[in-house]
Amino acid sequence: AQTVTQSQPEMSVQEAETVTLSCTYDTSESDYYLFWYKQPPSRQMILVIRQEAYKQQNATENRFSVNFQKAAKSFSLKISDSQLGDAAMYFCAYRSAVTGYALNFGKGTSLLVTP
Amino acid sequence: AAGVIQSPRHLIKEKRETATLKCYPIPRHDTVYWYQQGPGQDPQFLISFYEKMQSDKGSIPDRFSAQQFSDYHSELNMSSLELGDSALYFCASSPGSGRTEAFFGQGTRLTVV
Repeated sequence: AQTVTQSQPEMSVQEAETVTLSCTYDTSESDYYLFWYKQPPSRQMILVIRQEAYKQQNATENRFSVNFQKAAKSFSLKISDSQLGDAAMYFCAYRSAVTGYALNFGKGTSLLVTP
Repeated sequence: AAGVIQSPRHLIKEKRETATLKCYPIPRHDTVYWYQQGPGQDPQFLISFYEKMQSDKGSIPDRFSAQQFSDYHSELNMSSLELGDSALYFCASSPGSGRTEAFFGQGTRLTVV
């Protein structure tokens, strides 16, 4: 079974600064997807960014970008120009493209944004 | 844009009672997933359906059952409720066989007392 590890239970960043959240995963598959989801205090699960394993280019969505290192099985999220609204729990998630399509989540990183 | 609709949003039940949670996927989405998120936990996959057939099964207790109907909405039935079933239950939907991201509903918060 695939495992997703987020080694930072909590992170803090000042407004307008940049922060990087770490995620590593373990899999023997070559075809899969990786996601970052944001869960604010409302508890809504919001997709931040996705990465297909077969794509070498790192995904980018406005202020959010990833550093995908397939050989190292690492998938970190960089948030630039942090805003107060970025404060939330961030979950890294893995989904196989071969056997079942359910998301396998990490334990999450709680991001605090300070003025 | 239409989103995944879950009802009810909040539910309070007593131990040993039964609860039914409903999920209405985004139009033209034929795949539905159910997740359970306990307090301070990450979401855990319970079960999924594709074209009204069960497609994958996770850590769903035997006391729970689910199905997807002809209009693609799904229901999660939970019987003999236990205190430990108190959690946020998410439904998510996606189009096709799952090669695209799933979109989550706002969740149903179940409290068992």
